[in-house]
Amino acid sequence: SAVISQKPSRDICQRGTSLTIQCQVDSQVTMMFWYRQQPGQSLTLIATANQGSEATYESGFVIDKFPISRPNLTFSTLTVSNMSPEDSSIYLCSANKRETTQETQYFGPGTRLLVL
Amino acid sequence: ELKVEQNPLFLSMQEGKNYTIYCNYSTTSDRLYWYRQDPGKSLESLFVLLSNGAVKQEGRLMASLDTKARLSTLHITAAVHDLSATYFCAVSKWVYGNKLVFGAGTILRVKS
Repeated sequence: SAVISQKPSRDICQRGTSLTIQCQVDSQVTMMFWYRQQPGQSLTLIATANQGSEATYESGFVIDKFPISRPNLTFSTLTVSNMSPEDSSIYLCSANKRETTQETQYFGPGTRLLVL
Repeated sequence: ELKVEQNPLFLSMQEGKNYTIYCNYSTTSDRLYWYRQDPGKSLESLFVLLSNGAVKQEGRLMASLDTKARLSTLHITAAVHDLSATYFCAVSKWVYGNKLVFGAGTILRVKS
């Protein structure tokens, strides 16, 4: 299985500020994704982090609010900009990895964000 | 558009009983995933199902896939308290960039 780490694991932020979340995978992966899980809800994809090009955002998510970087095949960052209390969520990084005959998508431990 | 429906959303069951969680999806997909999430934790991959008729088992959990009906089931046999968690199904499709579209999740509580 892939080992995915995220930093920070949790944070409490003031509205109007920005937070950058880091995601590190233990091996090179082609595809990395950023998801949001609001309290008590399921997961929603924010964007696909593309190595060497701009991220691909899902409907309802924009680059100005959630800028993403993917400088190499093992690392990505997600910034939550100009935060409001509605941004309080768990943000999860994930990566596709092929092992033997099967490809699966693994998730990092998540970053728990509370915006006051 | 790829959509996923799970039911039930909440399941309370006694230890030792059997039950099934259902996952329907709207269009053909390439892979179907089942994940487990414990409170305050991330997602743990349980199963990845690729083809029609696929069946995978791990302990008291068995997942199956019927691509014609666009239906997957997660069957719980002789439930134990340790299975209490939220279970998500998700589907992906290569033409959609392999992103995962999740169901709403099923909160499972096994009472001892």
